[in-house]
Amino acid sequence: IAGITQAPTSQILAAGRRMTLRCTQDMRHNAMYWYRQDLGLGLRLIHYSNTAGTTGKGEVPDGYSVSRANTDDFPLTLASAVPSQTSVYFCASSDFAGPYNEQFFGPGTRLTVL
Amino acid sequence: GESVGLHLPTLSVQEGDNSIINCAYSNSASDYFIWYKQESGKGPQFIIDIRSNMDKRQGQRVTVLLNKTVKHLSLQIAATQPGDSAVYFCAETGTASKLTFGTGTRLQVTL
Repeated sequence: IAGITQAPTSQILAAGRRMTLRCTQDMRHNAMYWYRQDLGLGLRLIHYSNTAGTTGKGEVPDGYSVSRANTDDFPLTLASAVPSQTSVYFCASSDFAGPYNEQFFGPGTRLTVL
Repeated sequence: GESVGLHLPTLSVQEGDNSIINCAYSNSASDYFIWYKQESGKGPQFIIDIRSNMDKRQGQRVTVLLNKTVKHLSLQIAATQPGDSAVYFCAETGTASKLTFGTGTRLQVTL
């Protein structure tokens, strides 16, 4: 059982390019989340999905979009990358939505936008 | 706005000693708190949680203490081991029932 996988592991991207970060979980969890982690700021929620077919905006959603076509996959798209989106991105999932349910995190994607 | 902070950015502890990592929170309405461990190059991993109706909870070698009066949370690790070296951060239920994460404390275990 892999848990949560993310791809790519790392990426260097030119500003203005489009990029999709992939996230797949095999735990049949209903809720999924995307966070970015920046030094000195802690994890910040970008977007979330309480269940397949629904998505919601987190704390820092601007410049990002997500989709949740099925239970397992939750891709994060940067339509036109900017240097301020340089960060480490973590995908997470939980059995059910809400902060009281343990979130399981993927290994992260390190993205550098030049 | 609401914030979760840590007092010490880096904590160095000798192997076998006990570690105490602190966290201050400002949202008096938060009712759930979690400690995470993050090893280098990996995602955060749940360690222990506590609800606001408790002031102490124990796990395996870890204890979380909650002082709601001063809005302070601490993680105690007994008999610290080299494998405990990581960044530890707390999280609380913030606005809109979403977690708000602290910035982290790096725990370095010396031999």
